[in-house]
Amino acid sequence: DIQMTQSPSSLSASVGDRITITCRASQNIFDFLNWYQQKPGKAPNLLILSASNLQTGVPSRFSASGSGTDFTLTISSLQPEDFGTYYCQQSYGTPFTFGPGTKVDIK
Amino acid sequence: LQLQESGPGLVKPSETLSLTCSVSGFSIIDSTYYWAWIRQPPGKGLEWIGSIFSSGRTTYYKPSLRSRVTISLDTSESQVSLKLSSVTAADTAMYYCARDRDPNASGSMPAHWGPGIWVTVSS
Repeated sequence: DIQMTQSPSSLSASVGDRITITCRASQNIFDFLNWYQQKPGKAPNLLILSASNLQTGVPSRFSASGSGTDFTLTISSLQPEDFGTYYCQQSYGTPFTFGPGTKVDIK
Repeated sequence: LQLQESGPGLVKPSETLSLTCSVSGFSIIDSTYYWAWIRQPPGKGLEWIGSIFSSGRTTYYKPSLRSRVTISLDTSESQVSLKLSSVTAADTAMYYCARDRDPNASGSMPAHWGPGIWVTVSS
């Protein structure tokens, strides 16, 4: 299985802050990388697919980049509704593994 | 498109967990999409279990679960099913069904999710 890691495991930031979450794959996955946001008690929501493409309806303050083994998700100006846990997921090969998540709190 | 998981919320150890995902607003058979099952143990991250193609003829399973998992389709009822045998407490989790965003994606980009169903394994 391809192993996914994320850092940090949690962060606390203020409204308006710029935050970045990092995801690393254990092998080259090219741009086969998705990002999800999950709020407590809810199913995950697909934010970004293919490393950098915003899913329809996702605000433009979200952006992502990377290829190969190293990827980032950035929120340019954190909003109160952005709290939750963010997961990266590789879509290169089965099983389609997820990272352990990054919990984002709003100060 | 709406997905809704259902099944018993409590399963005894060593028994078989059986869940159903009812799909509405979309035709399972008139498509080229994959349907996936994903679970989340309490307080932990997401684990992809497996996926099935709309024809029902192609499935992918997580290798460590393959010996215990069966995913199937009931096109007449517009349902996707998950069976997990010989369960233990480690199988306690929220179970989600989901459909890929794009056709022919093998279950790799679940974009439409059910609300999930909580399953506890306990005697």
